[in-house]
Amino acid sequence: DAMVIQNPRYQVTQFGKPVTLSCSQTLNHNVMYWYQQKSSQAPKLLFHYYDKDFNNEADTPDNFQSRRPNTSFCFLDIRSPGLGDAAMYLCATSSQVRQFFGPGTRLTVL
Amino acid sequence: GESVGLHLPTLSVQEGDNSIINCAYSNSASDYFIWYKQESGKGPQFIIDIRSNMDKRQGQRVTVLLNKTVKHLSLQIAATQPGDSAVYFCAENKVQGAQKLVFGQGTRLTINP
Repeated sequence: DAMVIQNPRYQVTQFGKPVTLSCSQTLNHNVMYWYQQKSSQAPKLLFHYYDKDFNNEADTPDNFQSRRPNTSFCFLDIRSPGLGDAAMYLCATSSQVRQFFGPGTRLTVL
Repeated sequence: GESVGLHLPTLSVQEGDNSIINCAYSNSASDYFIWYKQESGKGPQFIIDIRSNMDKRQGQRVTVLLNKTVKHLSLQIAATQPGDSAVYFCAENKVQGAQKLVFGQGTRLTINP
């Protein structure tokens, strides 16, 4: 019973070529998050939506954008991926306190 | 800045032994803490949580202890199994409107046969 779904699981893009990662949820949670996780590091919050209200972290590069067209879906857009953007991207949701994570999308930048 | 960190980056235990993973936090105002388990190539999986008005909470084979005096959080796993091998993260949840997690650096737990 998938609750937080991320597609694709693996994404390869070229340096500078825009890429979009997708997240959907069946939990009907009002908050959705995007994290970046590099190898052997903790997840780092990029931004989150509280319903339709977008909340960007102060140190999130402008290269990263997000869209949430409805409660179920949230997208991460990387406008011009650099080699340093190669990472695991995690989507999470919550309704009160606990966050539920998706399986992640592994992004490779060539 | 506020942070949640772990004392040890790696921990190896024998299968069947108990393991203890530690975490230090610096924000005394935090009132909620969570432990996540992350297996290789997967997203973090919720293990157990605890509110600051408690000092102990037990789950199936896991116990979380909270010592607010020294700002210390620990995760005890009883009778470890090979499937317990993973990276364990503690996280601090600031309950204010939209919840945000501050993760510790993680501890890699390896279970030796």
